[in-house]
Amino acid sequence: DGGITQSPKYLFRKEGQNVTLSCEQNLNHDAMYWYRQDPGQGLRLIYYSQIVNDFQKGDIAEGYSVSREKKESFPLTVTSAQKNPTAFYLCASSIVQNNQPQHFGDGTRLSIL
Amino acid sequence: EDQVTQSPEALRLQEGESSSLNCSYTVSGLRGLFWYRQDPGKGPEFLFTLYSAGEEKEKERLKATLTKKESFLHITAPKPEDSATYLCAVRPAQGGKLIFGQGTELSVKP
Repeated sequence: DGGITQSPKYLFRKEGQNVTLSCEQNLNHDAMYWYRQDPGQGLRLIYYSQIVNDFQKGDIAEGYSVSREKKESFPLTVTSAQKNPTAFYLCASSIVQNNQPQHFGDGTRLSIL
Repeated sequence: EDQVTQSPEALRLQEGESSSLNCSYTVSGLRGLFWYRQDPGKGPEFLFTLYSAGEEKEKERLKATLTKKESFLHITAPKPEDSATYLCAVRPAQGGKLIFGQGTELSVKP
């Protein structure tokens, strides 16, 4: 079955610690995205990538970093510089051409210890 | 500034009570409007894409419509399993990024 796999489902971060969220897709999509979801707010774009070895900042990139070494994988690191990291993080992917919809994984919930 | 606003924030219906959810948008040109369904603790599930005013799409009890300034998601004779948060997103003509509304939380009671 094709899809997007995010892991872990739950993650706890200690103060001063960097944590990495995994996102893998087997849909053969070129574009991948990371969003943050907070209660009562719309999804906000953190980073996105349309091709391997290239990525762009979204609207709230400060305190986050990404890499895109493989087409299938787009890990997100939440650094200690992100002072309010508690949120639900969603990874998505899409075909770049023809105005196609984005498809989402089932998210990782990050909390502070 | 490009903006998407969904209303109401929450909607409670009795099973079989039809209603509509609204998504109003302000963008400089529309490339597409997308509806998603999100269950608690899960990622959004794609429902529909609408591209131009007057377009309609249907799936089971759901029907999405589009005008030049808003989209409606009509729910006919809802069932408890339709309970979820419904998200609307817009892709402006300039740039490929999606702009999401804050969602409408729908609860259908038996």
